[in-house]
Amino acid sequence: GAVVSQHPSRVICKSGTSVKIECRSLDFQATTMFWYRQFPKQSLMLMATSNEGSKATYEQGVEKDKFLINHASLTLSTLTVTSAHPEDSSFYICSAGATAPEETQYFGPGTRLLVL
Amino acid sequence: QKEVEQDPGPLSVPEGAIVSLNCTYSNSAFQYFMWYRQYSRKGPELLMYTYSSGNKEDGRFTAQVDKSSKYISLFIRDSQPSDSATYLCAMSSYSGGYQKVTFGTGTKLQVIP
Repeated sequence: GAVVSQHPSRVICKSGTSVKIECRSLDFQATTMFWYRQFPKQSLMLMATSNEGSKATYEQGVEKDKFLINHASLTLSTLTVTSAHPEDSSFYICSAGATAPEETQYFGPGTRLLVL
Repeated sequence: QKEVEQDPGPLSVPEGAIVSLNCTYSNSAFQYFMWYRQYSRKGPELLMYTYSSGNKEDGRFTAQVDKSSKYISLFIRDSQPSDSATYLCAMSSYSGGYQKVTFGTGTKLQVIP
């Protein structure tokens, strides 16, 4: 149980384009989902927390107009990187808050974004 | 001072060795303590989860929490090459109605056959 999927797993795009990443909880409903970014050899940095049906809460320093988050249902959250630039190239990982089998976050496999 | 401190390694051990990974923390509000394993270019996978001081064992893995010293450990017995990965400690507390997780920087482990 507690499986989270992410799509796409990898995306390469031109500078200035927008990229949408989907995060799905496959076998449980997640009221809260989280988006992280991880640069090489660094730990996960929380970008924002999204609650189903309400606006996302962004961490300090994260531009909410650049990283649009939508949590439309209890099993789906999307992150859209708008007008992507090379410095946005990173590994984006989502997680979903679960209560079983443990009350913790379960992570998706991640999406590697490369902006040329 | 970071809320969670973890030695980044890398840590290189021979196959069959006992591995000890450690983290310290400063926030007394942390209630839950986790260890995640992350293979290269993959999302973190939950290995161990505990919420009380003491030891918790699962197969070759033992998680240890000492809340009085604000110190947690993960022991891996009979280490295998397939254990080679980055191990992230994580701790959480309730904030704004949900469990907010804070991660260590991760320790890269290499088990040499």
